[in-house]
Amino acid sequence: LAKTTQPISMDSYEGQEVNITCSHNNIATNDYITWYQQFPSQGPRFIIQGYKTKVTNEVASLFIPADRKSSTLSLPRVSLSDTAVYYCLVGPSGSARQLTFGSGTQLTVLP
Amino acid sequence: GAGVSQSPRYKVAKRGQDVALRCDPISGHVSLFWYQQALGQGPEFLTYFQNEAQLDKSGLPSDRFFAERPEGSVSTLKIQRTQQEDSAVYLCASSLEDREGTEAFFGQGTRLTVV
Repeated sequence: LAKTTQPISMDSYEGQEVNITCSHNNIATNDYITWYQQFPSQGPRFIIQGYKTKVTNEVASLFIPADRKSSTLSLPRVSLSDTAVYYCLVGPSGSARQLTFGSGTQLTVLP
Repeated sequence: GAGVSQSPRYKVAKRGQDVALRCDPISGHVSLFWYQQALGQGPEFLTYFQNEAQLDKSGLPSDRFFAERPEGSVSTLKIQRTQQEDSAVYLCASSLEDREGTEAFFGQGTRLTVV
């Protein structure tokens, strides 16, 4: 399974756009990129998944360059409630089996 | 129910005691997963069921850990002779099926503390 590297922590202010970049240099051809969000005392929650280029949903956007060796999760206009740990995962065929989470990025949104 | 339900939410066990953790997946979900999350770390895979069949148990840390899903719905993770290093949050997740693009839904977890 491809290893991912992401910042340990990030701070932002309410209303700002936040971009969290994840490196996955050894991504395989059939690997998907998935981001999860986890609040304290909660299980992780799926945010977005993509294979290449750009994916957007009501919560976030995911940007994936052509070489797919990195990806960027973009959260528009964050609020205090977006304070959480964000995990970047890379796995074969986008399957939920054997999700490899890593340590994640602690995002703290300040007032 | 509307989501994955786990019970108990908190469990304190004396070292050497056996514990059983329950997971009620979303109704109709074929796939069920157990993860272990140590403090400050991301969840780590323990085992996977497709219906009642345990297809992957490569993440179970020792033979003290045992999981079952006898009727393809509710699952139980059992830990025998608990040790302090077993202290962690145990997360259960379910998905409709195990194929590309399928979202996994996680429960709130059971926090196990071994004293």
